Amino acid sequence: GAVVSQHPSRVICKSGTSVKIECRSLDFQATTMFWYRQFPKQSLMLMATSNEGSKATYEQGVEKDKFLINHASLTLSTLTVTSAHPEDSSFYICSAQKGTGSYEQYFGPGTRLTVT
Amino acid sequence: QKEVEQNSGPLSVPEGAIASLNCTYSDRGSQSFFWYRQYSGKSPELIMSIYSNGDKEDGRFTAQLNKASQYVSLLIRDSQPSDSATYLCAVNMWGNNDMRFGAGTRLTVKP
Repeated sequence: GAVVSQHPSRVICKSGTSVKIECRSLDFQATTMFWYRQFPKQSLMLMATSNEGSKATYEQGVEKDKFLINHASLTLSTLTVTSAHPEDSSFYICSAQKGTGSYEQYFGPGTRLTVT
Repeated sequence: QKEVEQNSGPLSVPEGAIASLNCTYSDRGSQSFFWYRQYSGKSPELIMSIYSNGDKEDGRFTAQLNKASQYVSLLIRDSQPSDSATYLCAVNMWGNNDMRFGAGTRLTVKP
């Protein structure tokens, strides 16, 4: 199997606060994890690529100081949205690769963030 | 030119028909190709992966790859209303972790 979990599934926070989202691979070790954002009726937008034990690689236009990514182990990556604003409200989805020569990505169920 | 292009649809087919979803990609170095299904409000789910030219079948799904034409497609036989979703084509280059997604094709299967 290839099960990826995310927590929380939904979060509502006030503007200016920070929110942490966890992504875990439950039945495999993920050498690489990815964080995506998806606005309503739009496609997935890759935010950053995270390798265990090293700094994340951010896509152009994604503020690394605002979206803090930590990949502390082969089964856990976290995304912290700092000083959240209403425009950060979106569906955040992580994915993980097994790293066995296959490039398939397995997605978590997503976290819906609403900033009021 | 977008890296991965899909017709956004909506594509509507009657129940029991064959749904044909198409995708083109711009990078000739691409080596791995994937189809994901995404229901509204949910995250993508991997349906098929294909790496070699030709057809790959898995149940009612068949992926077709033509690297010379830079084209990959997904056929869904005996379409069911439960197949109604957005289908995402994804491509990545050999040795590169990044996967580039198309914008998706919205499929509606009418009973």
